[in-house]
Amino acid sequence: QVQLQESGPGLVKPSETLSLTCAVSGGSVKSYYWSWIRQSPEKGLEWIAYVDNSGTTNYNPSLKGRVTISIDTSTNQVSLRLNSVTAADTAVYHCAKHYWGDNYFDPWGQGILVTVSS
Amino acid sequence: DIQMTQSPSSVSASVGDRVTITCRASQDINTWLAWYQQKPGKAPKLLIYAASSLQSGVPSRFSGSGSGTNFTLTISRLQPEDFATYYCQQASNFPTFGPGTKVDFK
Repeated sequence: QVQLQESGPGLVKPSETLSLTCAVSGGSVKSYYWSWIRQSPEKGLEWIAYVDNSGTTNYNPSLKGRVTISIDTSTNQVSLRLNSVTAADTAVYHCAKHYWGDNYFDPWGQGILVTVSS
Repeated sequence: DIQMTQSPSSVSASVGDRVTITCRASQDINTWLAWYQQKPGKAPKLLIYAASSLQSGVPSRFSGSGSGTNFTLTISRLQPEDFATYYCQQASNFPTFGPGTKVDFK
């Protein structure tokens, strides 16, 4: 049973870079596809990015150019970097495993609240 | 991108009621649709995928139907643990989610 746990700073200053990691237990990051999804009262649930087990990535066009997703097989983690953040990036950030390689998400991590503020 | 809408935005119901939630996609997505349940402070949980396939461990009172642009999630007999918010999601190359439907106590 794969379990996911997000970690990172809960407060990021405007224009800086948001960096999050998702620790994967119960399975290997090399065996599955992974996504980051965020949730805010203003925008609801918003898919951010995905990485498959060959390292191929895909990004939400609205965030492309600011976001990078990657996997680290040595630590069994999935990472997210979002540059040049603004208050609009304030949200709960979830990592999620893809179900059977399709764009269905199961399970999700509990999520981490990231606030962008000076 | 494909826009997802849901109706109603909220529904008040009682234990034992049949509840139906509708989801509409702005373009044909075949059966590339999922339904999730989310309780306060918790992560979303996958209930239905491929429009009508029940995820392992999910009670059979949950069912999904539809194809193309119109989809439905039905809870046949509402249980106390089913009071939550439900989201639909289209599973194309660029996934998007509906705004959610909150099921609360009448």
